[in-house]
Order: sequence, then structure tokens, then C-alpha cells
Amino acid sequence: GESVGLHLPTLSVQEGDNSIINCAYSNSASDYFIWYKQESGKGPQFIIDIRSNMDKRQGQRVTVLLNKTVKHLSLQIAATQPGDSAVYFCAENSGKLIFGQGTTLQVKP
Amino acid sequence: KAGVTQTPRYLIKTRGQQVTLSCSPISGHRSVSWYQQTPGQGLQFLFEYFSETQRNKGNFPGRFSGRQFSNSRSEMNVSTLELGDSALYLCASSTGDLDTQYFGPGTRLTVL
Repeated sequence: GESVGLHLPTLSVQEGDNSIINCAYSNSASDYFIWYKQESGKGPQFIIDIRSNMDKRQGQRVTVLLNKTVKHLSLQIAATQPGDSAVYFCAENSGKLIFGQGTTLQVKP
Repeated sequence: KAGVTQTPRYLIKTRGQQVTLSCSPISGHRSVSWYQQTPGQGLQFLFEYFSETQRNKGNFPGRFSGRQFSNSRSEMNVSTLELGDSALYLCASSTGDLDTQYFGPGTRLTVL
């Protein structure tokens, strides 16, 4: 069946460094992906999305890269800040969202 | 624009009872989806409603049901609660045209 998976359950980075969170998917027909950030006690918050007609999309301090050949996407956060500490999910959007397990980003001061 | 709202935020029930959760989508959004989040299973899709019709359904037993009203507000119901139903229940709204889904804060359900 379809699945979305994250490579690392936890990522620890120094404040000011760049963070890279990876995600793999299995369905080659998948064409729309969303990254969400979830802080403790809150619902997932939209960060950025990308469709399969793009390889890269940039937002404010975030970049998503999509490699359809190897079915992999990544979220890059520039100059990571303490407020970026959260659980990050990638999700495939086919009308219903299929989520990966999440990567916990810890930012060390 | 106001975000997605969910009520109640916290709920404690006992096994065998039933529960109804409510979700108000972002103004103008016609699609409401429901998800269950647990530490063991992560985020799992329950069902989606669009224009008062269930359009998509996940792999949950029939004890889990929902409905949507003409103003796009949605409710989900869980009957005959089991301990394993303890979870954070999230709803998300979107325009319905394979667009971004925006989440509410969730309802934390504890079944004793």
C-alpha cells in the first residue's frame, strides 16, 4: 500500500545552523506533498507544499526539494531558531493526507 | 480569517459511552477531514466530508461516523468507546479542490 516515511525520528541542531528533514514515499503517482509543523498541544501547522511539476519551492527560511526519481523530498530550514523546535511531518495529499511518522527537531541554544 | 475551531478541547469518557466532537472550518471552505493521532499509529485519516456528503473514508470501524451540515460545520461521533480510542482528534478544512488542508487545535479524548 501507499506509505510515507521519514528517515530520522529525531534531529538535533545548533541554533543558527541549517536543518534538513528527509521524507520518502512509495507511490510513484503521488504528485502533491505538504510539510506540517506540530508544536506540543497544537494541531499541525502548514509550512510549505510542493506539486510534482516542481523540483524546488522556497518560502520564508524554508525550502522543499522533491526528487521524483528516487521518491524523496526534504525540508530545509535556514538559520534554525529555538521556535523551530517541533515535530515535522511530510504528508502526501491525494484528497486525504497520508502522513509520515514525524521527525522531532530539537534546537540547542 | 478565523482558523479551524474544534470543541471541546478536552474530553474524558468511560468505556462503552459515545462522544460527539465538533469542527468549524475556515470560512469559505467546503471540505472537512478528520484525523486520529496516537503515539503508536501517528496521524491517520478517518473520513472527509464535502458539501454534506462523505467523499472519502479511512480504515476505521463503523463506530466512527461523521456528518456535515449545510454551513460546512462537521461533527464526528464515536460510539461504544474503547480504551484504544484515546487520542487527539484533529479536523482539517480545505476548499475541497485538492488544496492545502488547515488543521484545528484538536480534541483530546481520554477513555477510562
